[in-house]
Amino acid sequence: GAVVSQHPSRVICKSGTSVKIECRSLDFQATTMFWYRQFPKQSLMLMATSNEGSKATYEQGVEKDKFLINHASLTLSTLTVTSAHPEDSSFYICSGPGPTNEKLLFGSGTQLSVL
Amino acid sequence: GESVGLHLPTLSVQEGDNSIINCAYSNSASDYFIWYKQESGKGPQFIIDIRSNMDKRQGQRVTVLLNKTVKHLSLQIAATQPGDSAVYFCAERATGNQFYFGTGTSLTVIP
Repeated sequence: GAVVSQHPSRVICKSGTSVKIECRSLDFQATTMFWYRQFPKQSLMLMATSNEGSKATYEQGVEKDKFLINHASLTLSTLTVTSAHPEDSSFYICSGPGPTNEKLLFGSGTQLSVL
Repeated sequence: GESVGLHLPTLSVQEGDNSIINCAYSNSASDYFIWYKQESGKGPQFIIDIRSNMDKRQGQRVTVLLNKTVKHLSLQIAATQPGDSAVYFCAERATGNQFYFGTGTSLTVIP
């Protein structure tokens, strides 16, 4: 069945390094995918909308040079946290509209810890 | 200085009782709503959805009510079970097809 696969599930990195998170749509194609960020005991905050073949749309207050999004194919979107700092530590979750193009299917999330 | 953070509202329910979780949404133009369940360290799971032209929808043990006048959603869980313990979020779909999430409610089921 249709699934959104996210990798890695957990990453620990040093301050100043870049981290790439991958999100794949399995058994369906996604022209659009959404990236969320979630701090402990808080809600999911939409960061950006990635669009296949074009530039991502970022929500207000999200630094596009900090959070690079690439949606090079209909099944893969990536989020790269550049020059990560401890305050970037968070749970990052991707989602896609699914084969019905309605309800969002979510990846399992990536817990990023920056030391 | 002191930092102020958002904390999830909590709801504790006895096993077997019914649960009602509430959500206020912000955009009167939102046309579609979803309730999600999130367990610790995992991504959200779809529970039930409702379109803006409906005011009630029922699933297995769950019912969603939509009141567009006051921009309010509720999720009712019948005969709550320990496995229902999780954080529950409502999400509204905006005109650009993005989904925005509510604050969330942490449900604890007491055996």
